[in-house]
Amino acid sequence: KQEVTQIPAALSVPEGENLVLNCSFTDSAIYNLQWFRQDPGKGLTSLLLIQSSQREQTSGRLNASLDKSSGRSTLYIAASQPGDSATYLCAVGGGDRDDKIIFGKGTRLHILP
Amino acid sequence: GAVVSQHPSWVICKSGTSVKIECRSLDFQATTMFWYRQFPKQSLMLMATSNEGSKATYEQGVEKDKFLINHASLTLSTLTVTSAHPEDSSFYICSARARMDQPQHFGDGTRLSIL
Repeated sequence: KQEVTQIPAALSVPEGENLVLNCSFTDSAIYNLQWFRQDPGKGLTSLLLIQSSQREQTSGRLNASLDKSSGRSTLYIAASQPGDSATYLCAVGGGDRDDKIIFGKGTRLHILP
Repeated sequence: GAVVSQHPSWVICKSGTSVKIECRSLDFQATTMFWYRQFPKQSLMLMATSNEGSKATYEQGVEKDKFLINHASLTLSTLTVTSAHPEDSSFYICSARARMDQPQHFGDGTRLSIL
């Protein structure tokens, strides 16, 4: 059974710092991995999707990497801003074997102005 | 980018009422839609997966007669919470996906409060 773990559970950093959020998964046979952002009381916004054959994806100040063999992904946020404050969720998709995506519990990020 | 609209965003109703939540993909055809439930400060719990024109696949522990899912078109899925009770109060979120190699796009969620 796939399990997704995100560390840390919560993080507070001063504005302007670069930071890394971690995601690990127990079954390396994944189809893809997706990073989401969730603001309080809202739905999820898709940030980056990495296919199993890819090593990383970039969008603006965000960079996500995937090391499938070790069961790890990181989300790198450069030059953090107060508007980046949110909960960041990592989710892995099982593909043909399993159409579901499994979510981690998220990292609550607070950027201090 | 892809947009998924979920309606209503917030509903309060009396115990015993049935409530319907709509999920629409506005600018793409969603062959698969997913329904999730989220408790405060918890991650999303998948309730069911629905493919257009097929019966929904429910996760273990989710009552299919309680949570009716219809995915009659490539742009619309509905979740009906039948005879809702206070324990059904939660945040319900839908997502839609065009193809398996495409990302899931989420609605803004529906906060359901049963009195």
